[in-house]
Amino acid sequence: GAGVSQSPSNKVTEKGKDVELRCDPISGHTALYWYRQRLGQGLEFLIYFQGNSAPDKSGLPSDRFSAERTGESVSTLTIQRTQQEDSAVYLCASSLGLSVSYEQYFGPGTRLTVT
Amino acid sequence: DQQVKQNSPSLSVQEGRISILNCDYTNSMFDYFLWYKKYPAEGPTFLISISSIKDKNEDGRFTVFLNKSAKHLSLHIVPSQPGDSAVYFCAASPISGGYQKVTFGIGTKLQVIP
Repeated sequence: GAGVSQSPSNKVTEKGKDVELRCDPISGHTALYWYRQRLGQGLEFLIYFQGNSAPDKSGLPSDRFSAERTGESVSTLTIQRTQQEDSAVYLCASSLGLSVSYEQYFGPGTRLTVT
Repeated sequence: DQQVKQNSPSLSVQEGRISILNCDYTNSMFDYFLWYKKYPAEGPTFLISISSIKDKNEDGRFTVFLNKSAKHLSLHIVPSQPGDSAVYFCAASPISGGYQKVTFGIGTKLQVIP
C-alpha cells in the first residue's frame, strides 16, 4: 500500500514569509508525528497527534510553529514569519499507535530553505 | 546536551566485511533502543530494536548489541553489501514513553565499497 507522503519535497522561501507543509499518513494510522532535522543534527521531535486527543505540542520551538490534523488523515505544519534558522528537513511519520512497540513509518521529508 | 551520541560521522567498509556502528547514551531512563536506516531523499526506515531486558537482538544480517553498564549499543552488519550504504540513526526511549520521547543521534554515514 501507499506509504507516508509529504509535499512539497522542496520549498524555498524568503525570510518573513509563511509556509505550509503537508503530510498524508498511512491509512489507519492513528498516530502522526512531525520532526525537524537541521544540518548535522539528529531528528528533533516537534508535535504528535494521536486519534482525537489533543496534540502534544511540547516540541514546537516557538509560537510561530503550529500544526493541524483533520481526523486521522492529512496534517499540515505551518511556520509563520519564517527565519533562517527554520531551514531544515521536516519529516512526518505515522504509526498504528504511540507505543514504540508499533513500527513508525517516515515520509521522504520536505526540505525547507529560508533565504 | 546530546543524550544519544554517534561519535563516528562516517564509516567505510569493504563489501563482505563486517560493519560496526556505535552509539552511546547518557540517560539512564532509556530502556528501549532503535536503529533506523536512511537513504538520500527518503525518510528513515526502521531497522531493528532492542529492549533493555536483552543484550542482543538479531535479524538476518543485522545484530544489535546492548551493554547497559557502559550505556553503549552497537549495530553489526554481516556481511556488508553495497545496498547497505546509507545513514544509520541510533535512537533511544523510555519504553513507556511513546515516540514523542524518542531521542535520536545525529547519524553515521556508512559506505560499503564493492
